[in-house]
Amino acid sequence: EAQVTQNPRYLITVTGKKLTVTCSQNMNHEYMSWYRQDPGLGLRQIYYSMNVEVTDKGDVPEGYKVSRKEKRNFPLILESPSPNQTSLYFCASSPVGVYGYTFGSGTRLTVV
Amino acid sequence: GESVGLHLPTLSVQEGDNSIINCAYSNSASDYFIWYKQESGKGPQFIIDIRSNMDKRQGQRVTVLLNKTVKHLSLQIAATQPGDSAVYFCAENVENYGQNFVFGPGTRLSVLP
Repeated sequence: EAQVTQNPRYLITVTGKKLTVTCSQNMNHEYMSWYRQDPGLGLRQIYYSMNVEVTDKGDVPEGYKVSRKEKRNFPLILESPSPNQTSLYFCASSPVGVYGYTFGSGTRLTVV
Repeated sequence: GESVGLHLPTLSVQEGDNSIINCAYSNSASDYFIWYKQESGKGPQFIIDIRSNMDKRQGQRVTVLLNKTVKHLSLQIAATQPGDSAVYFCAENVENYGQNFVFGPGTRLSVLP
């Protein structure tokens, strides 16, 4: 089944403790992206990647890092999480060109 | 399930009625639009898309209308079913802006029995 897989689904952590949210897609898509979703604000882009070793900032990149060492994986790294990063996170992918995204099921992160 | 939005506009319709969900987009240079459906606890799912050289596109039980003059997009769902209950939001791709989309805040559709 073609899909984007995120892990974990739920995560509660403490301020300052580094964490990684993984994202993997099995569709050989070039484009991958991370979004956060907050009440009243909709989906906001954090980082995106056009291909392996090519990443760029989205609208809200502060406090996040990404890497794209392999085509299928695009992990989101929070080096020092803060409570304002409590949110619902989605990874998405698409083939090259302007097409709709395939989204993962989301990761609910709570930073206390 | 996951809460996708506490302050979303809500549309309530009777089962079997038609639903119309509206979206005002922001950029007159946008030339590709998508409607997504997000059910509780799930990621957004592609429903239907439309390019700016079209005014209307139909899918299975869904129709998207595009009015470029007033920068307005609508999603019509025919014979709304309980399984249509979800948050719906539009996304616009700005010409020459690559593959990134700008997403609207969404509308919650509640189907009443």
